[in-house]
Amino acid sequence: GESVGLHLPTLSVQEGDNSIINCAYSNSASDYFIWYKQESGKGPQFIIDIRSNMDKRQGQRVTVLLNKTVKHLSLQIAATQPGDSAVYFCAENMNRDDKIIFGKGTRLHILP
Amino acid sequence: EAGVTQFPSHSVIEKGQTVTLRCDPISGHDNLYWYRRVMGKEIKFLLHFVKESKQDESGMPNNRFLAERTGGTYSTLKVQPAELEDSGVYFCASSRIMGDSGYTFGSGTRLTVV
Repeated sequence: GESVGLHLPTLSVQEGDNSIINCAYSNSASDYFIWYKQESGKGPQFIIDIRSNMDKRQGQRVTVLLNKTVKHLSLQIAATQPGDSAVYFCAENMNRDDKIIFGKGTRLHILP
Repeated sequence: EAGVTQFPSHSVIEKGQTVTLRCDPISGHDNLYWYRRVMGKEIKFLLHFVKESKQDESGMPNNRFLAERTGGTYSTLKVQPAELEDSGVYFCASSRIMGDSGYTFGSGTRLTVV
């Protein structure tokens, strides 16, 4: 499969610890933000999204935080598991029917 | 429901040859997108169909790339002639609307031009 982790920043986290992946987005007009997870040989998989009128949203073991002042997005994964190992991309969108723009991605590596 | 299906999963071709990638979106999804990821870099937008019409093709790199979606169902992306820099993974995604669940991506076609 594809080597998804080449040339990407890597975050190494002990199994069971919490992970925080950060992303700086580019367009202050963006109003919808998404986190995707990409495992080797697979397409990006939706994790969680947030609209610009919110600053926090929680899912199952994941939380997304949005700071529009500094154009920063973060993904928190609680109790990181081996299956969380992947490349994580943030993405932004200005119109619900328009294209989304991906960030550069962060590789999450789980330490045993 | 069936997911987004892409074919082939892998393709190795020589420089100068032609390759056609196919994407079958989720049934009923009017929006179809093509993206690609060149090794180690971010995922870049190529184009967006709404049904059979090209809504946005601003990401198409040059005229060697041709995308079609006749009948508003499946889509093809043809690269002719292929160059070395076209190597990467080509993803297709579809959506009914950009709703709370975002796009659904296919597993991609890994294209290697040698």
